[in-house]
Amino acid sequence: AQSVSQHNHHVILSEAASLELGCNYSYGGTVNLFWYVQYPGQHLQLLLKYFSGDPLVKGIKGFEAEFIKSKFSFNLRKPSVQWSDTAEYFCAVTGGATNKLIFGTGTLLAVQP
Amino acid sequence: DTGVSQDPRHKITKRGQNVTFRCDPISEHNRLYWYRQTLGQGPEFLTYFQNEAQLEKSRLLSDRFSAERPKGSFSTLEIQRTEQGDSAMYLCASSLGGTFITSEQFFGPGTRLTVL
Repeated sequence: AQSVSQHNHHVILSEAASLELGCNYSYGGTVNLFWYVQYPGQHLQLLLKYFSGDPLVKGIKGFEAEFIKSKFSFNLRKPSVQWSDTAEYFCAVTGGATNKLIFGTGTLLAVQP
Repeated sequence: DTGVSQDPRHKITKRGQNVTFRCDPISEHNRLYWYRQTLGQGPEFLTYFQNEAQLEKSRLLSDRFSAERPKGSFSTLEIQRTEQGDSAMYLCASSLGGTFITSEQFFGPGTRLTVL
């Protein structure tokens, strides 16, 4: 069965610190990978996506993620976080005919000014 | 705003009552998804429509749940005889695509259901 694991449930960082959020997936076929973000009081928004090609994907607001097929991983990174990055981050995978999203449990990031 | 909209945003109901939620997707999107999110969890897939056809339903969708998308535009999700375990955020998402064609899903703000 398809599944996504996010190992960090709650992360607290100071502004300017570097960020890496882990994501591992389990899926037998061709995989498409996503990171969604939910800012306080807002709806889920796409941060970045990987469909094919260059495994290093750049998204909005300075975020990037690297797809490592051999490790079944798609970790999210940002070299220097800001207070405005405080949000919940969800890793997700799709595949098959319907492209339903399978989400991880999310990582709540708090950035202290 | 031409994004995905959901109505109502909040619903409080008593156990045993029926509730209905509405989702209006982005107008040209042919694919529509419903997800459910409980506290501390990521969204979980409930059901999927391509145009007006409901093509997949999760095992989470018991026989008390029904969803429709009658003209391939807006969709409704009805829960009959609500239970306290139905309390959750119900999310709708839409996208443009075909079979095996992946595209970004755009999410609405959700309907938060509280069953007393």
